[in-house]
Amino acid sequence: AQTVTQSQPEMSVQEAETVTLSCTYDTSESNYYLFWYKQPPSRQMILVIRQEAYKQQNATENRFSVNFQKAAKSFSLKISDSQLGDTAMYFCAFMRAGAGSYQLTFGKGTKLSVIP
Amino acid sequence: DAMVIQNPRYQVTQFGKPVTLSCSQTLNHNVMYWYQQKSSQAPKLLFHYYDKDFNNEADTPDNFQSRRPNTSFCFLDIRSPGLGDAAMYLCATSLSPWGNQPQHFGDGTRLSIL
Repeated sequence: AQTVTQSQPEMSVQEAETVTLSCTYDTSESNYYLFWYKQPPSRQMILVIRQEAYKQQNATENRFSVNFQKAAKSFSLKISDSQLGDTAMYFCAFMRAGAGSYQLTFGKGTKLSVIP
Repeated sequence: DAMVIQNPRYQVTQFGKPVTLSCSQTLNHNVMYWYQQKSSQAPKLLFHYYDKDFNNEADTPDNFQSRRPNTSFCFLDIRSPGLGDAAMYLCATSLSPWGNQPQHFGDGTRLSIL
């Protein structure tokens, strides 16, 4: 079974600053996907960024980037130039690759507040 | 815009009174999922449909059922809600169950039990 751990229940960052959210996971699988999802207050959960485990290059989406360390089973999210709209709960999630691998395993989330 | 729509946003029901939550999608995705998310916890998968094939998670209580009458709609039925079933219920869709196809979530329905 896979587990995902987010060790920071809450974080805050000043607007325009950079913040890093941490995530570690445990799995015996060699091929898998990792995700960061954002859930703003009372709004839908949306995919922020995705990383395939077989790719060594870290994924980047505009102001969002990840630091994927496969050997250490670490998958942190860096948000640059933080904006007020980044205030949300952030979930790290894991999914096995391959047939029938439908289940997303989520961490407990990190509540991020961006302070004006 | 193509999307996942959940109705209602807020649902209040009485202890033991059956309740149905609905989800529709305009993405024409093959897979639809139902998650339960309790306060300050991670979403927990209850079950999913891959086309018409229903897949129940091993630890999903029998009290929870689902129906998918067509590609666009999926329903979550709670036959006899208990106080412990108060939660946010999230519907999600994906083109396929594989990890290379991300899941798209609705806004959720927050269920309260009186």
